[in-house]
Amino acid sequence: ILNVEQSPQSLHVQEGDSTNFTCSFPSSNFYALHWYRWETAKSPEALFVMTLNGDEKKKGRISATLNTKEGYSYLYIKGSQPEDSATYLCAFVGNAGNMLTFGGGTRLMVKP
Amino acid sequence: DTGVSQDPRHKITKRGQNVTFRCDPISEHNRLYWYRQTLGQGPEFLTYFQNEAQLEKSRLLSDRFSAERPKGSFSTLEIQRTEQGDSAMYLCASRGLEKLFFGSGTQLSVL
Repeated sequence: ILNVEQSPQSLHVQEGDSTNFTCSFPSSNFYALHWYRWETAKSPEALFVMTLNGDEKKKGRISATLNTKEGYSYLYIKGSQPEDSATYLCAFVGNAGNMLTFGGGTRLMVKP
Repeated sequence: DTGVSQDPRHKITKRGQNVTFRCDPISEHNRLYWYRQTLGQGPEFLTYFQNEAQLEKSRLLSDRFSAERPKGSFSTLEIQRTEQGDSAMYLCASRGLEKLFFGSGTQLSVL
């Protein structure tokens, strides 16, 4: 069973704060690392798919970095807004390329 | 492209009954996944299809769970003799090249 861990489990921030959270995953047999955002009463939606060590991706105020050698990825949110409130999930894809193993998620709540 | 749809959205059943859920993936996606999610946890892998072939099934899954994808289109997930521990959100996702596209899920409550 693959170990994909996310920290913290939950996070409360004020509107305008910047924040970041971590996903750790096995450093061997790496194929890709996915990030998803899951808002309440909606379906999870993909944010990023990252494949290369040192990769950095950005979408608006959200960005992510990847370190495959040490097995971690960071997700950053700059200037958090209430609409950023959601659960953020990472998923590790092993080298067969088909299986996605999710972490437990980080639940972010942004107070206005 | 109407996205991934799941039916029903909610299901309440009594312990010991059988239930079946349906997933209609994005039509051009040949890969389809079922996950289960309980409160405070991330999605837990159940099974994976490539076209009509079931290529992976979680070892944690009991024999009461079965899934099919006839003709490589829609998929069904059946749970026989439901138990209270089966109460969860059952998520279906389809995948083209990279990312997963999720349905809205079926929330199962076993009384």
